Amino acid sequence: EDQVTQSPEALRLQEGESSSLNCSYTVSGLRGLFWYRQDPGKGPEFLFTLYSAGEEKEKERLKATLTKKESFLHITAPKPEDSATYLCAVRGGATNKLIFGTGTLLAVQP
Amino acid sequence: DARVTQTPRDKVTEMGQEVTMRCQPILGHNTVFWYRQTMMQGLELLAYFRNRAPLDDSGMPKDRFSAEMPDATLATLKIQPSEPRDSAVYFCASGFELGSPLHFGNGTRLTVT
Repeated sequence: EDQVTQSPEALRLQEGESSSLNCSYTVSGLRGLFWYRQDPGKGPEFLFTLYSAGEEKEKERLKATLTKKESFLHITAPKPEDSATYLCAVRGGATNKLIFGTGTLLAVQP
Repeated sequence: DARVTQTPRDKVTEMGQEVTMRCQPILGHNTVFWYRQTMMQGLELLAYFRNRAPLDDSGMPKDRFSAEMPDATLATLKIQPSEPRDSAVYFCASGFELGSPLHFGNGTRLTVT
């Protein structure tokens, strides 16, 4: 069964304190790993798609990387506006279902 | 900036009542997905469509939930009869194709008392 596990569940950082979020997955035939950001009361907002091990994508202070078993979302010098829940999702196997992890709640304090 | 539109934003209803949630996907997107989000389970896939045809609704309780796309600009999710355990935020999302990133609406928060 396809599975996505995110860690930590919650992370509190000081402004400027870099860190990484982890997404480990089990899927037969990965056809895409997706990172989303979700703000309170809003729907998830697409950030990145990664398709193969070794691939990296960057956007402002965020950088996503992918290996055969996990993905990392690196946050460099975060700001309070980076506070949100970050969701990881995978598509793979015989279906086109997008399976989500339960997310990491990030709080960046000024 | 094109967005997925969901109505209503909030719905409070009594157990046993019918609930209908509506979604307008982004123009030009041919896939539509329905998800349910709770604190305990996170985002769960309920059903999805491609070119208005249902591809998979295995995530839905069949006896009470139904999903349809009457036309390309409208997707509906109905619950009849509703139960307190259906309380959650229901999200609709659309994408260009099955492998494309999904764009989510802001959800319908359903409370069944």
